[in-house]
Amino acid sequence: GENVEQHPSTLSVQEGDSAVIKCTYSDSASNYFPWYKQELGKGPQLIIDIRSNVGEKKDQRIAVTLNKTAKHFSLHITETQPEDSAVYFCAASKGRGSYIPTFGRGTSLIVHP
Amino acid sequence: DSGVTQTPKHLITATGQRVTLRCSPRSGDLSVYWYQQSLDQGLQFLIQYYNGEERAKGNILERFSAQQFPDLHSELNLSSLELGDSALYFCASSPFQRENSEAFFGQGTRLTVV
Repeated sequence: GENVEQHPSTLSVQEGDSAVIKCTYSDSASNYFPWYKQELGKGPQLIIDIRSNVGEKKDQRIAVTLNKTAKHFSLHITETQPEDSAVYFCAASKGRGSYIPTFGRGTSLIVHP
Repeated sequence: DSGVTQTPKHLITATGQRVTLRCSPRSGDLSVYWYQQSLDQGLQFLIQYYNGEERAKGNILERFSAQQFPDLHSELNLSSLELGDSALYFCASSPFQRENSEAFFGQGTRLTVV
């Protein structure tokens, strides 16, 4: 089955710095790559996603890049703010109409004011 | 608010017992997914139901079972509980679409087995 590796497990940055989280996946058939943010005491919430026919997607301070050849994708957060502190999960899934993502182990992002 | 409701929020029970976790999906979503989140295992997919029928199974133990009812709410039953079953259990829902899309997660049920 699919295997998603996520690094780093913990990331500590100063407010205003950029943060990058990287993931690799094993199944070349995977075609949908969402990123979730989980705040303390809450469930994961989608923040951005990318499909395999796109190499990059941006939404304000957040961007995701996808390299299908290398089977890796990354989350970039610019101008980090303390409220960005949370656990971030990458995921990969394949198929149509059947959303069963395989999640990475998560990255705990800490933004120091 | 994701629109997915899970009850109860917290549950403390003893080893060997049985519990039922409940999930109400977003209005109109036909698919329900259950995930287990523990510190050392991340988010592990357990099982998926679509419109009342089991659609996919992940790493779900035989002591665990689930079902989705005609009104689309779902229940996850955990029996013969062990200490290692202590975890956060999340339900997620999504509409049926031709292409994969976002899953909406509830706030989870924190199960503590003592």
